Amino acid sequence: EVQLVESGGGLVQPGASLKLSCVASGFTFSDYWMSWVRQTPGKTMEWIGDIKYDGSYTNYAPSLKNRFTISRDNAKSTLYLQMSNVRSEDTATYYCTTTADWGQGVMVTVSS
Amino acid sequence: DVVMTQTPVSLSVSLGGQTSISCRSSQSLVHSDGNTYLYWYLQKPGQSPQLLIYKVSNRFSGVPDRFSGSGSGTDFTLKISRVEPEDLGVYYCYQGTHYRTFGGGTKLELK
Repeated sequence: EVQLVESGGGLVQPGASLKLSCVASGFTFSDYWMSWVRQTPGKTMEWIGDIKYDGSYTNYAPSLKNRFTISRDNAKSTLYLQMSNVRSEDTATYYCTTTADWGQGVMVTVSS
Repeated sequence: DVVMTQTPVSLSVSLGGQTSISCRSSQSLVHSDGNTYLYWYLQKPGQSPQLLIYKVSNRFSGVPDRFSGSGSGTDFTLKISRVEPEDLGVYYCYQGTHYRTFGGGTKLELK
């Protein structure tokens, strides 16, 4: 059974950094492109970016590429999202996904 | 950015009935590789999105044949027949041809 488990969320102050993780199991992680997607409190879905199966290529939403970085560790079957200089509008539930399968999501709240 | 416009925003349907959701993109979703990367998801209350349809008309594993996708270019439709209680939730279209963008969602409720 495919499982994607995100962690690392919580309450963070504006301007701070945060790193989310997503541990994958039940499939060969190193064979898959992976993505991060977020959902705002108003339920708007926003794609953040993708990473190629070997980590050699990343692709980001233009509005986020200067502050967000996606990486992966295939030995640990783990996907990461490094968020920097966070803003209130980054408040959302963050999902990792293979496109077909999704994690349960992790909440990030940006507030002072 | 490719804008995905879903209509209607909300929909009321009777159990056992049929309904459809429209998704229109601001530019053609035909990729240079010939594929059209248009997906449909259902997000049930309190859950993560679940994939229903990929590449316009292909049902994902385990998705009942009550769900069907169609369309081409910039206009796409998800049809749901014989609506069941577990079909309720918010439906999103999603394009993966030009970067990636989601539609605004369509909430399906019981009449």
